[in-house]
Amino acid sequence: NAGVMQNPRHLVRRRGQEARLRCSPMKGHSHVYWYRQLPEEGLKFMVYLQKENIIDESGMPKERFSAEFPKEGPSILRIQQVVRGDSAAYFCASSTGTEGSTNEKLFFGSGTQLSVL
Amino acid sequence: AQRVTQPEKLLSVFKGAPVELKCNYSYSGSPELFWYVQYSRQRLQLLLRHISRESIKGFTADLNKGETSFHLKKPFAQEEDSAMYYCALGGAYTGRRALTFGSGTRLQVQP
Repeated sequence: NAGVMQNPRHLVRRRGQEARLRCSPMKGHSHVYWYRQLPEEGLKFMVYLQKENIIDESGMPKERFSAEFPKEGPSILRIQQVVRGDSAAYFCASSTGTEGSTNEKLFFGSGTQLSVL
Repeated sequence: AQRVTQPEKLLSVFKGAPVELKCNYSYSGSPELFWYVQYSRQRLQLLLRHISRESIKGFTADLNKGETSFHLKKPFAQEEDSAMYYCALGGAYTGRRALTFGSGTRLQVQP
């Protein structure tokens, strides 16, 4: 089991471009979480998805950011018209979702470092 | 609202010294607390959770509801303990199933 796979590891975009970050959960996991880490700050929750469903997007900025987790394929975090303030490390985590509540063990990917020039 | 506070950005100790990484939380419901660790060039991974009342790699953490704390402790630090440590809070009072993380503490264990 290769674990949670995120790609690319590093992504450089110019202001105004689109950024697409991919996350493949661990085999057998149907729950995906996206977190953002700004320099010198902790992980900030963005969105929680199950297959074809957004369960909680309370941490997502209202504009330019969207996420999906299709029936087939990886989860995608999409940032349109990127700005310098979007530069951060974006982490994906997955879980089985079977333990109930937040006692689920999260498995994290290595993250994608987004740099906006 | 859920909040996790880790007051120390950096904690530097000598090998063999005791370690205490502080974590305080605010939460209106019944909290679920975790410690995650990230070693150099590795992924963030679960270290321990309060419901398990376990000791992992010599680390323990006790939930103190009166002081709303979940400090991570180890009696004798080892060099391989050097890493970033994140305290995390979970709870389902809103039905949300995601964790709230603190800003992290970097532990440096010097020889």
